[in-house]
Amino acid sequence: AQSVTQLDSQVPVFEEAPVELRCNYSSSVSVYLFWYVQYPNQGLQLLLKYLSGSTLVKGINGFEAEFNKSQTSFHLRKPSVHISDTAEYFCAVSDLKGRRALTFGSGTRLQVQP
Amino acid sequence: NAGVTQTPKFRVLKTGQSMTLLCAQDMNHEYMYWYRQDPGMGLRLIHYSVGEGTTAKGEVPDGYNVSRLKKQNFLLGLESAAPSQTSVYFCASSSFAATRVGYTFGSGTRLTVV
Repeated sequence: AQSVTQLDSQVPVFEEAPVELRCNYSSSVSVYLFWYVQYPNQGLQLLLKYLSGSTLVKGINGFEAEFNKSQTSFHLRKPSVHISDTAEYFCAVSDLKGRRALTFGSGTRLQVQP
Repeated sequence: NAGVTQTPKFRVLKTGQSMTLLCAQDMNHEYMYWYRQDPGMGLRLIHYSVGEGTTAKGEVPDGYNVSRLKKQNFLLGLESAAPSQTSVYFCASSSFAATRVGYTFGSGTRLTVV
């Protein structure tokens, strides 16, 4: 079984400042890692994913994440945020075999202030 | 457009009523999932299916049943709705072909049980 912990439920930040959203996971098997964004009253949109290879993954809208196997972390970063980045962000993992279902963290609400 | 379609998008039920949520995908995916989203809890897996004719329980299956009679459809049923089932429900399907691992989500069904 897997579990995902998003360490911050809310992150307020000023526009054009950098941001890091933290994600730690626990799993006894190898996993794939994902970040999704959800804008108000909308569905889930994939930001980026780590399957294998380079531990630095670049996604859409200027976001990137780094997989750290020893620390079992997959933190999401953006060097300069915009008002339009205000949304809820979910970290998720899936196992490579078996049910292959996504296990989600509880989410981090990013609030970008002018 | 290829993707996952959920119907209905909104529904209000009275306690004790029953209903079925329909999820349809046209990407020939083997795996399909039903999640519920509640504030502060992320998305939690209700049931899933690894292929036509097979279903299995996720983390929060109580009060729900599912069927996958056709590969492209995954139905979620509530036999006797309770206020605790007020939530937003998301369906997803997934592909694990080589490097094209990905999950496609529907736009969600907002269910209120009064």
